[in-house]
Amino acid sequence: DGGITQSPKYLFRKEGQNVTLSCEQNLNHDAMYWYRQDPGQGLRLIYYSQIVNDFQKGDIAEGYSVSREKKESFPLTVTSAQKNPTAFYLCASWGSSYNEQFFGPGTRLTVL
Amino acid sequence: GQQVMQIPQYQHVQEGEDFTTYCNSSTTLSNIQWYKQRPGGHPVFLIQLVKSGEVKKQKRLTFQFGEAKKNSSLHITATQTTDVGTYFCAGPNSGGSNYKLTFGKGTLLTVNP
Repeated sequence: DGGITQSPKYLFRKEGQNVTLSCEQNLNHDAMYWYRQDPGQGLRLIYYSQIVNDFQKGDIAEGYSVSREKKESFPLTVTSAQKNPTAFYLCASWGSSYNEQFFGPGTRLTVL
Repeated sequence: GQQVMQIPQYQHVQEGEDFTTYCNSSTTLSNIQWYKQRPGGHPVFLIQLVKSGEVKKQKRLTFQFGEAKKNSSLHITATQTTDVGTYFCAGPNSGGSNYKLTFGKGTLLTVNP
């Protein structure tokens, strides 16, 4: 089955630690995205990548970093510089043959 | 930059009542998309509207795109408990490609059985 996988579903970290969230897609989509979701805030774009080895900052990139070494993978690192990292993180992808963005199941990060 | 606003933020209805959420863009859109996110789930694409004044139906859901292509609405007739979730509208950034979307903040619908 084609789709997007994110792991883990739930993640707990201590304050001050960096943490990397995984996102893998087998849809052969060129573009991939990371969104952050907080209650009542909708979906806010963190980073996006149109092609391998290229990515751009979204609206709330501070405290986050990404890499795009493979078409299938777009990991997100939440660094200790992110002031309020506890949130629901959604990865998505888009292919030019489609209208919509496809979302993964999300990772709920809690920083203690 | 482009802004997409949705109202209301929350709506609680009794099962069987109708529900409407409205979406307004600060710029003219080439198309508008609607997504649904069930509680604890991820957004799932519902539909895309492209033409000015377009109306599309999916069973009890009616989607409308405004004549000026700056606003849209989603109307649910006779809500059911399965309709519970957050409904988002999204429009493409300048250029018209759906490569980069701006999402509204969503309307959370709860249904009392």
